[in-house]
Amino acid sequence: GAVVSQHPSRVICKSGTSVKIECRSLDFQATTMFWYRQFPKQSLMLMATSNEGSKATYEQGVEKDKFLINHASLTLSTLTVTSAHPEDSSFYICSARGGGSYQETQYFGPGTRLLVL
Amino acid sequence: AQSVTQLGSHVSVSEGALVLLRCNYSSSVPPYLFWYVQYPNQGLQLLLKYTSAATLVKGINGFEAEFKKSETSFHLTKPSAHMSDAAEYFCAVRGTGTASKLTFGTGTRLQVTL
Repeated sequence: GAVVSQHPSRVICKSGTSVKIECRSLDFQATTMFWYRQFPKQSLMLMATSNEGSKATYEQGVEKDKFLINHASLTLSTLTVTSAHPEDSSFYICSARGGGSYQETQYFGPGTRLLVL
Repeated sequence: AQSVTQLGSHVSVSEGALVLLRCNYSSSVPPYLFWYVQYPNQGLQLLLKYTSAATLVKGINGFEAEFKKSETSFHLTKPSAHMSDAAEYFCAVRGTGTASKLTFGTGTRLQVTL
């Protein structure tokens, strides 16, 4: 149980285009989802937290107009990188936490590698 | 406020040797503590967690960790390392409230040699 999927696993796009990354909780309802960014050989940096049906809460320094987050249902959250630039290239990881027995632990997706040319 | 310190960004052990990865935390509230493992180009996999039950916690792949409140530590151990244990390991802490966020350490890269 507690599986989180991400799609796509890898994406290459041209500078100026927008990219959408999907995060799904497959076997539990994710009341809260988190989006992280990870630079090479570094720890995870929390970008934003979203609760189902509410606007996302962004961490300081994260541009909300640049990184659009939609938590449309209890099993799906999307991160859209708008007008992507090479400096947005990174590894993006989502995480989900649910209710009940899934409240204590954050479960992570496999990550999405974004390369902006 | 909470924080995690992982001593040693890189640990190297021989196959069959004891693995010890250190984690110290600070938290103003009773903590939940976690160890996650990350293999190259993958997400994080939960190894084990402490959530105020037994202080000695057993996880997957033969790993265990002991919560020591007096030392504010949650070190990860495994009696005998395997080559497949080579990965990045992250210790993390959060409070018990539903709004509490996970705070990660900087990670420890475990290398296992023959």
